[in-house]
Amino acid sequence: GENVEQHPSTLSVQEGDSAVIKCTYSDSASNYFPWYKQELGKRPQLIIDIRSNVGEKKDQRIAVTLNKTAKHFSLHITETQPEDSAVYFCAADPQSSGDKLTFGTGTRLAVRP
Amino acid sequence: DAGVIQSPRHEVTEMGQEVTLRCKPISGHNSLFWYRQTMMRGLELLIYFNNNVPIDDSGMPEDRFSAKMPNASFSTLKIQPSEPRDSAVYFCASGHQGSGANVLTFGAGSRLTVL
Repeated sequence: GENVEQHPSTLSVQEGDSAVIKCTYSDSASNYFPWYKQELGKRPQLIIDIRSNVGEKKDQRIAVTLNKTAKHFSLHITETQPEDSAVYFCAADPQSSGDKLTFGTGTRLAVRP
Repeated sequence: DAGVIQSPRHEVTEMGQEVTLRCKPISGHNSLFWYRQTMMRGLELLIYFNNNVPIDDSGMPEDRFSAKMPNASFSTLKIQPSEPRDSAVYFCASGHQGSGANVLTFGAGSRLTVL
């Protein structure tokens, strides 16, 4: 089955700086890669996703890049704000297994004001 | 749409008791997932359904856990008998399988504490 590794597990940045979270996956059949944000005590919510036919996608201050050859993808947050503080999860979806998302272990991001 | 609805939001029970968690997926979604979240193990997929049919239950930890989806608008996750190590937040999520990208929407979760 798919295996997703996520790094770092914790990340602390100064407000206004950039944050980068990296994930690797094992199943070359995976072709959909969403990112979820989970604030304390809340549910995970989709913030951005990318499909395998695209190398990069951007939505305001967040962007995701995908390298299918190396089987890794990354989340980039620019001009971080305190409200960006949360746990971020990457996931991979190998269509061959019926759209079963496999999640990374999460990155706890703290943005220092 | 009210989103994915889970109940109860919080449950405290004693070891050995039966626990039933409920989920109403988003109307029109054809896939439903049950996840368990703990600090130690993160988000674990327990079981998922496509068109009300269980597809993969390999994540169900033991025979004490069972899940059903009798129709497209309702699913249950049952633990019998419950144990303290079952304490966790249980999330239900629904999506649209077959769309090429199964965007999952999560419910608010059910926080279970087994004493």
